[in-house]
Amino acid sequence: NAGVTQTPKFQVLKTGQSMTLQCAQDMNHEYMSWYRQDPGMGLRLIHYSVGAGITDQGEVPNGYNVSRSTTEDFPLRLLSAAPSQTSVYFCASSPNPYNTGELFFGEGSRLTVL
Amino acid sequence: AQKITQTQPGMFVQEKEAVTLDCTYDTSDQSYGLFWYKQPSSGEMIFLIYQGSYDEQNATEGRYSLNFQKARKSANLVISASQLGDSAMYFCAMREGGDGGATNKLIFGTGTLLAVQP
Repeated sequence: NAGVTQTPKFQVLKTGQSMTLQCAQDMNHEYMSWYRQDPGMGLRLIHYSVGAGITDQGEVPNGYNVSRSTTEDFPLRLLSAAPSQTSVYFCASSPNPYNTGELFFGEGSRLTVL
Repeated sequence: AQKITQTQPGMFVQEKEAVTLDCTYDTSDQSYGLFWYKQPSSGEMIFLIYQGSYDEQNATEGRYSLNFQKARKSANLVISASQLGDSAMYFCAMREGGDGGATNKLIFGTGTLLAVQP
């Protein structure tokens, strides 16, 4: 009953370091996405993917890279972390990109950049 | 541009009473979807209810109902018979996209923090 799994749950980085937030889903969902949540701003879309090999930018893509080599995995890469990237990150998926159903969220990853 | 507005940063409600959380939206699309999610203090995002723009009846899910007023562009969440476990942050969201094929990109409001008092 895994659903959407994010790792790590907590991470502290120094400015300039790189890291990858992992997201995996075992529901064979075509659509996957990454959001960041900041106080007072709700959730904002970083990147999304409508299927393996296809990715696109959301509202706040700068400083982040993604790839989708398999249906199951959608990692989010920070190439050179900045304090402005301190946030809680959520991965979310849905069975297909165009249905009206809900997004299934992971439990979130809290990132602090010093 | 599409936008979701939640004007209530925080609300109190007495246990067993009903509460309405406000949400207004702005879109020029004819086809769209509206969602409510709950985020308890543990941090996970829990889907509550969905309303499609062409749905004529208001959506209901147990104690949750969505008061959809299309002309006013509002999608308020009504929680009946509040319970202590309803204390959480509540987010309204809209599925972006036009009639040509919406994607599941969601735009979120800033949230309303609900505190249920015994």
